[in-house]
Amino acid sequence: KNEVEQSPQNLTAQEGEFITINCSYSVGISALHWLQQHPGGGIVSLFMLSSGKKKHGRLIATINIQEKHSSLHITASHPRDSAVYICAVMEYGNKLVFGAGTILRVKS
Amino acid sequence: NAGVMQNPRHLVRRRGQEARLRCSPMKGHSHVYWYRQLPEEGLKFMVYLQKENIIDESGMPKERFSAEFPKEGPSILRIQQVVRGDSAAYFCASSPSGNVNEQYFGPGTRLTVT
Repeated sequence: KNEVEQSPQNLTAQEGEFITINCSYSVGISALHWLQQHPGGGIVSLFMLSSGKKKHGRLIATINIQEKHSSLHITASHPRDSAVYICAVMEYGNKLVFGAGTILRVKS
Repeated sequence: NAGVMQNPRHLVRRRGQEARLRCSPMKGHSHVYWYRQLPEEGLKFMVYLQKENIIDESGMPKERFSAEFPKEGPSILRIQQVVRGDSAAYFCASSPSGNVNEQYFGPGTRLTVT
């Protein structure tokens, strides 16, 4: 079992839909990151969370430390949101452990 | 404040050659991390360095790979005698001393071994 599990692996949505990507982890962590990667592109850090909820524009990230679970929500999705979204946890010791990623495609 | 810089962005090497990948952290950051993304696979931790010290190299292959972060200049990931299986995207991230939970990623170096 991977330390970081993401679901779904693939997600296709219509423009305007509300999207949720989930992340569960099995180890103790000091922080959790949500990252975005476009095909052949670099990695953009969207959020770093250690508790609660953060919002940036149409993106919302939440974390429940007791349940070892985090969600990334995209409201009013747009084709430019199409990318791979990666959950990564910071284990004590400073290294990130990554989920396999969720491939999101938003159709117009 | 420039972000994390990596060069080259693309590197092609023949089998048996050496590859040197460079990473300049954000200004004021003294922690550097290297990650590898193999084709169709997720990102994996390789090594964590502070200036002049390797802190954690538990993700580095045992042979042919080495990393350094000298007092002056960029961090270098060196791969000797490259093989086709080394073809991947190599990402560097940096974090400030005050908050090592924050990591800022560079654009990556895409290594192709022919």
